[in-house]
Amino acid sequence: DVKVTQSSRYLVKRTGEKVFLECVQDMDHENMFWYRQDPGLGLRLIYFSYDVKMKEKGDIPEGYSVSREKKERFSLILESASTNQTSMYLCASSAHRTGIAGELFFGEGSRLTVL
Amino acid sequence: QKEVEQDPGPLSVPEGAIVSLNCTYSNSAFQYFMWYRQYSRKGPELLMYTYSSGNKEDGRFTAQVDKSSKYISLFIRDSQPSDSATYLCATPNRDDKIIFGKGTRLHILP
Repeated sequence: DVKVTQSSRYLVKRTGEKVFLECVQDMDHENMFWYRQDPGLGLRLIYFSYDVKMKEKGDIPEGYSVSREKKERFSLILESASTNQTSMYLCASSAHRTGIAGELFFGEGSRLTVL
Repeated sequence: QKEVEQDPGPLSVPEGAIVSLNCTYSNSAFQYFMWYRQYSRKGPELLMYTYSSGNKEDGRFTAQVDKSSKYISLFIRDSQPSDSATYLCATPNRDDKIIFGKGTRLHILP
């Protein structure tokens, strides 16, 4: 069974803290993505990576950075958490960039609350 | 105009009813479309996809695209309480990034 695992399901952090959200996939996928999901706003792409050591900004990268040191692992970093970053964060991976083979496999999400 | 628009609902229907979920899209160049299903406190998973013409059927689910009106539909026949979820339509945009509608929350009432 294919799997994308997000290590933390629920986190509570304080404003200004550094936050790491970890994601690991076991499907040997080249491509990995971080989204955030908010009521009324849907899924928004934060960052993505098509290869190890490679990263590209999505639609809302401000306040976030990422790290991809190994193919299977893609981390989202909030350098200084703020209350407007309270959200559900979803990691996804795909085998290909294009076409229906670009199907996204999602993790179960990390619900972050910043106080 | 957003590239993919979807009514967020919620939509509540009795068990056994036919459900119709809809999206509109802005770019006539979009080639194929997907429906993801997301259960509460879970990540989305691909339910089915269809290319930009005609219908595709999979069990109780039918995906339909109307290119002339840029309209995407998902029909669920004989709806079950286990179909209660959020349904997101999606399509790859010009940059081959998958873009999502905001999702429609569906409740099937036993």
